[in-house]
Order: sequence, then C-alpha cells, then structure tokens
Amino acid sequence: RKEVEQDPGPFNVPEGATVAFNCTYSNSASQSFFWYRQDCRKEPKLLMSVYSSGNEDGRFTAQLNRASQYISLLIRDSKLSDSATYLCVVNNHTSGTYKYIFGTGTRLKVLA
Amino acid sequence: EADIYQTPRYLVIGTGKKITLECSQTMGHDKMYWYQQDPGMELHLIHYSYGVNSTEKGDLSSESTVSRIRTEHFPLTLESARPSHTSQYLCASSERTGQKAGYTFGSGTRLTVV
Repeated sequence: RKEVEQDPGPFNVPEGATVAFNCTYSNSASQSFFWYRQDCRKEPKLLMSVYSSGNEDGRFTAQLNRASQYISLLIRDSKLSDSATYLCVVNNHTSGTYKYIFGTGTRLKVLA
Repeated sequence: EADIYQTPRYLVIGTGKKITLECSQTMGHDKMYWYQQDPGMELHLIHYSYGVNSTEKGDLSSESTVSRIRTEHFPLTLESARPSHTSQYLCASSERTGQKAGYTFGSGTRLTVV
C-alpha cells in the first residue's frame, strides 16, 4: 500500500463547478500536510498548507481528518486556469528526520 | 522571479557522456533535494542534503551522484548517461525547520539520452 494515495482522475468539470479531492495517508504519526499544484511539464508549486482546524484561501479550502487519515481540497467556482494536477504531500517524522511523501496527483480539467 | 535555478532547462545528449545538472538557490536553505519525475508519473526522491558536506540517497535507486560543497549549490552528476536516464529532474529546497515549511522547486531539467 502506498504511503499517500490519491485518485488519479482526471476530474472533468464545467467552469463554475465545485470539485473536491481526497487524499489518504497511511502513517498515523504524520506531522504536516500540504497541497501542491503542478501544471503540465512544469514544477510543483505550493498551493496551501493544511491545518488541523481546516483553512481557506480564496476559492480553495483544505481540511484534515486525523482520525480517518485523510486530507481534502475543495475548489469552488472552478476556473479554466485551475486545470492542473494537484499533489497531496505528507511530511513524516522518521528516524529523527522529516521526510516529504508525494502522492501521484489528481488531474483536474475545467471545461468551458 | 525564481529563487532556485536549474540549468540546463533541456538537455539532449548521447549515451555514455558525463553530465552535470546544476541547481542553485539564493534563499539560504539548508535542505536541498533532487527528484526524478517521468511524464504523468509521481515524483521520486533520488538524493537529498541537509547541509554542507551532507548527502544522502533517496528512495529511488539512482546511478547519479551529488555533492554539497556550498549551501547554495547542489549539482547532480551522471558519469555515463544511458537512455534509461531520460526523465525530468527537479531540484527543491526547504528551510531548516522543515516540518511546516513547504518546498520550493526549480523549473527542472528535461534530460533526453539518445
């Protein structure tokens, strides 16, 4: 079983729709969580950190459920420019070091 | 304006050649990383460094080597390139207190070995 699992998609949604992605992680001791965005043939860029109480940044809302070991990303009022791959990232503390584990990503295509 | 730079952006090279992919960052980050990513696939950690003179192998076995003589510079070297090395190579860095800090990635080097 992978340490971080995501539905690869693609999620094809019309412009203006609300879309949600989930990501599950296997290590219950995971320390911190992030969502990254990666455009085709580009480098990943940090979209937002995920806090225990949930957090919002404009149209984007991230939530963490430690009991069920998943994080989610909600995008409201989707724009064409939101089309990208969204990577779930978990930071584990093992053997005295922090280690980032990247999910394989969920592809989103927003259609006009 | 990028704070982490990778050169070259694209490289096409013949089998057997020695190549060095450059990565430099101006943020003073202690931690630096090299990832390999094939198109549409996940990132695989191949090397990392927690500071000068510190280098470790990542999760994915790689025939490449790295060095960290200066904080800002983390080059990756392939002694003898092979077609199986064709991939995108992404360099990243993060602050010392890595628990909450995100990674900043370079634009990547797309390597093709013919």
